[in-house]
Amino acid sequence: QKEVEQDPGPLSVPEGAIVSLNCTYSNSAFQYFMWYRQYSRKGPELLMYTYSSGNKEDGRFTAQVDKSSKYISLFIRDSQPSDSATYLCAMRVNTGNQFYFGTGTSLTVIP
Amino acid sequence: EAGVTQSPTHLIKTRGQQATLRCSPISGHTSVYWYQQALGLGLQFLLWYDEGEERNRGNFPPRFSGRQFPNYSSELNVNALELEDSALYLCASSFDSAGNTEAFFGQGTRLTVV
Repeated sequence: QKEVEQDPGPLSVPEGAIVSLNCTYSNSAFQYFMWYRQYSRKGPELLMYTYSSGNKEDGRFTAQVDKSSKYISLFIRDSQPSDSATYLCAMRVNTGNQFYFGTGTSLTVIP
Repeated sequence: EAGVTQSPTHLIKTRGQQATLRCSPISGHTSVYWYQQALGLGLQFLLWYDEGEERNRGNFPPRFSGRQFPNYSSELNVNALELEDSALYLCASSFDSAGNTEAFFGQGTRLTVV
């Protein structure tokens, strides 16, 4: 079993829709959770960072962590064509431990 | 503040040659990670350096190697290049000793082996 599972999509939504991106994981020791956005042929850009369970909001983006279910989500409200990218989840146990990445979900927002 | 910088941006090599990729972390960051991202695939973990030492390596053959210098910059070497080594190589840095847990990526080096 992989440490982190992420549905690769592709996911296609109309402009203005609410997008839900999800990852599941197997290691209950993970405490730090990140979401990255990667445009084609570019390096991943850190979008959201959360610690332990709960929600964190930043503009149109909300990151949610449910440690009891080993499940994390990224919600994008009022999606825009500029949100079209691949979204990667990442997690780690603590500082001094390596990162584990999902394979990424490809999102297209249609104008 | 400058982000993670990688050089060169693009690199074309022939099969059997050696490639050297370079990474400068964000100022003050001591950890450097290397990943391979083949077209349409996810990030494959290659190597992790922290404070000049190799902390872990992924499931890659020994012809993938690297090092971290005293100024925390890093170099990835790929020997005896094969066609399937063609990929985007990404470097990321973090500042673990400060308790920061996020990693920040460079824009990558696109290696093409012909």
